[in-house]
Amino acid sequence: EAGVTQFPSHSVIEKGQTVTLRCDPISGHDNLYWYRRVMGKEIKFLLHFVKESKQDESGMPNNRFLAERTGGTYSTLKVQPAELEDSGVYFCASSQAHMNTEAFFGQGTRLTVV
Amino acid sequence: GENVEQHPSTLSVQEGDSAVIKCTYSDSASNYFPWYKQELGKRPQLIIDIRSNVGEKKDQRIAVTLNKTAKHFSLHITETQPEDSAVYFCAEQGATNKLIFGTGTLLAVQP
Repeated sequence: EAGVTQFPSHSVIEKGQTVTLRCDPISGHDNLYWYRRVMGKEIKFLLHFVKESKQDESGMPNNRFLAERTGGTYSTLKVQPAELEDSGVYFCASSQAHMNTEAFFGQGTRLTVV
Repeated sequence: GENVEQHPSTLSVQEGDSAVIKCTYSDSASNYFPWYKQELGKRPQLIIDIRSNVGEKKDQRIAVTLNKTAKHFSLHITETQPEDSAVYFCAEQGATNKLIFGTGTLLAVQP
């Protein structure tokens, strides 16, 4: 069984540019989460999809971030325009159930905004 | 608000020694507490978890204890090996479904 995959693994962009991150969850997992780790800090929640619906987007930093999951399969996270403080590792995770169950993580996308 | 404190931030032990990482949380509704291990350049992977109706759980050299009254839980690794070297994250999940993570502990096992 394929795990959670993320693309790209690394991205270096200039301030003001746009970047789109992609996550393919494990097949059959309705729950998809985006997290971000800024250097040395905790892995911080961004948002949660159940199928194609946004269940919780309370962690999204501001309106420069837009997440979509059309069709309830893969998800994209777009940052437009990128700022220096957006640098970090963006993780995607998926799970079958939404509570008390393992969340499977992707390998992350390391975003560097210069 | 929801918050998880994790200590220590770095931990160095000799091979064969034990390692203990502690976390405290603030949300009394939390009922699921997983521990993730992230090796350098790899994805975080679940190594053990515990639910609120259990006080202790063990899986070979790894054990987790939970004190709901005090709102803290701990990871214990016995007979550490060099391959245990990694960043370990504790997390809690409550009514909001999202995982709240600690800041991570960099464990170095010296051969």
